[in-house]
Amino acid sequence: ETGVTQSPTHLIKTRGQQVTLRCSSQSGHNTVSWYQQALGQGPQFIFQYYREEENGRGNFPPRFSGLQFPNYSSELNVNALELDDSALYLCASSPQTVLNTEAFFGQGTRLTVV
Amino acid sequence: DAKTTQPPSMDCAEGRAANLPCNHSTISGNEYVYWYRQIHSQGPQYIIHGLKNNETNEMASLIITEDRKSSTLILPHATLRDTAVYYCIVRVGGSNYKLTFGKGTLLTVNP
Repeated sequence: ETGVTQSPTHLIKTRGQQVTLRCSSQSGHNTVSWYQQALGQGPQFIFQYYREEENGRGNFPPRFSGLQFPNYSSELNVNALELDDSALYLCASSPQTVLNTEAFFGQGTRLTVV
Repeated sequence: DAKTTQPPSMDCAEGRAANLPCNHSTISGNEYVYWYRQIHSQGPQYIIHGLKNNETNEMASLIITEDRKSSTLILPHATLRDTAVYYCIVRVGGSNYKLTFGKGTLLTVNP
């Protein structure tokens, strides 16, 4: 148990729809990162939020967007879903003020786009 | 972040030590070596990290060569629950917590 919780655990959406995934970070952690993991691949960095601001972004289109709230929880929004968006979406939290520490991952949300 | 190279798969007998190699020949002086593992359908789990010196914790040991171009993760007494994909990641320590995952090594621990 890492203290990072994600919801929902599984989700099925239709191509073209929009989806919102949620993440509650571990207590005391003010940085949240999102990753996409396609089947058989390692997780790929989407973006990171620190104190409600985007603090780095990977190679993902603008239809992937996020939010971080004052309590450091976060949302990942994906618009205009495509079949290739089917993946495990992982949230990770870490304490930004502590250097060289590890990130704690949630169990992920399995998104299937049909 | 520097690129890493790991074997795609390894086997280990239960109770024996598992030694997982990682090459990171382009590592920079300020880059750390991190190891995570991912048990099937779960989120990645942090194992250990180091800069220059060998490190040990309750899960594993990390041996980094003197030139820092390679490292080995050692699980001293592998159990069936250690079957997982192990990722070696090299990243700059500090404020940006982006982790660049490769495909990792699938370690299978056999009874």
